[in-house]
Amino acid sequence: ETGVTQSPTHLIKTRGQQVTLRCSSQSGHNTVSWYQQALGQGPQFIFQYYREEENGRGNFPPRFSGLQFPNYSSELNVNALELDDSALYLCASSTYIGPGEQYFGPGTRLTVT
Amino acid sequence: AQSVTQLDSQVPVFEEAPVELRCNYSSSVSVYLFWYVQYPNQGLQLLLKYLSGSTLVKGINGFEAEFNKSQTSFHLRKPSVHISDTAEYFCAVRRGENGQNFVFGPGTRLSVLP
Repeated sequence: ETGVTQSPTHLIKTRGQQVTLRCSSQSGHNTVSWYQQALGQGPQFIFQYYREEENGRGNFPPRFSGLQFPNYSSELNVNALELDDSALYLCASSTYIGPGEQYFGPGTRLTVT
Repeated sequence: AQSVTQLDSQVPVFEEAPVELRCNYSSSVSVYLFWYVQYPNQGLQLLLKYLSGSTLVKGINGFEAEFNKSQTSFHLRKPSVHISDTAEYFCAVRRGENGQNFVFGPGTRLSVLP
């Protein structure tokens, strides 16, 4: 059973640039959620994708957008990067049906300078 | 909106001592409760979960938690900690049956001292 993977592990961007983060969900999971974890804080829900459509969104502006592909992998795109976007971005996969747990990837550490 | 409170931001404890990490959530119907652990520079790993049934839940690495509906709490306990338990611990709540996101607490940093 393959776990959740994310790429890249780290990246550094400049304010105003755009970034794309990638996530491969665990085998058998059809739902992907993205979280932002600022230093010293708990993860904050960005949005969730199910059946290639956004299925819920947290309090994040539209410059945070995403995609889900037919193989259930997903991308998080952030436009017009701001310094406050520096954080660990976590992807979690799960099944849509049932209240079970989410399985998290190792995260992508984004630094905006 | 659902919220999760972890009253202690940091908990230092000596090795082999017991520990309790506190978690309270805002009241709601059909909540599902989870504890995750995060080691440095890693993602989150599930420790245990409460979905229904027995209010005492046992998880990995010797951890357990008790769901208390009247006090809206889900405290995490371990009778004897090890140095390797040093990590950040997050309590999370999930609403509803399907496709609902998690709401995480701010985390508790457990430091196990030799």
